[in-house]
Amino acid sequence: LAKTTQPISMDSYEGQEVNITCSHNNIATNDYITWYQQFPSQGPRFIIQGYKTKVTNEVASLFIPADRKSSTLSLPRVSLSDTAVYYCLGVYGSSNTGKLIFGQGTTLQVKP
Amino acid sequence: DGGITQSPKYLFRKEGQNVTLSCEQNLNHDAMYWYRQDPGQGLRLIYYSQIVNDFQKGDIAEGYSVSREKKESFPLTVTSAQKNPTAFYLCASSIYSTGADIQYFGAGTRLSVL
Repeated sequence: LAKTTQPISMDSYEGQEVNITCSHNNIATNDYITWYQQFPSQGPRFIIQGYKTKVTNEVASLFIPADRKSSTLSLPRVSLSDTAVYYCLGVYGSSNTGKLIFGQGTTLQVKP
Repeated sequence: DGGITQSPKYLFRKEGQNVTLSCEQNLNHDAMYWYRQDPGQGLRLIYYSQIVNDFQKGDIAEGYSVSREKKESFPLTVTSAQKNPTAFYLCASSIYSTGADIQYFGAGTRLSVL
């Protein structure tokens, strides 16, 4: 499973675009990059997953360059309700255990 | 309304007592998982089950036990052998247990020691 590194915390203001970068230098061929969001005292919620290039859904965009050693989660026009912990995970696509490894994540604080 | 239900929301354990945390899902998922989260930390895998009547230890299984007698249920017992049980416990499920499957989480149970 790819080991990921991401900033411990970030601050932003309402209406701004937020980019959270995740480093995964040892990513393997079959690894996907997956992001989860967690609010206090709640379970994590899946945001987005990608393998390479760009993936976009109604919540976020995920950019993965050609070398796949890093990725960037982009949250457009954040609001106060986007204040949460964001986890970047490298998941082994061929795994038969479904095991996820969560690090400390990035605590995003959105200010008014 | 499909999802994962964990109960109770808060639980208190006395010394030497076993307690059981409930996890039920109506998503028709094959795989289910139990995680432990300590303050300011990420999640750590306790046990997982890929199919009914089968389960595997995760990274921190000591002091815990599980059963998977029904597809929709995966209860976790925190035994008296778990000396530091105070934590936030999260149950999750996924369609299968392949690595790229999305995991859906319950709202969690917060366990404290009296």
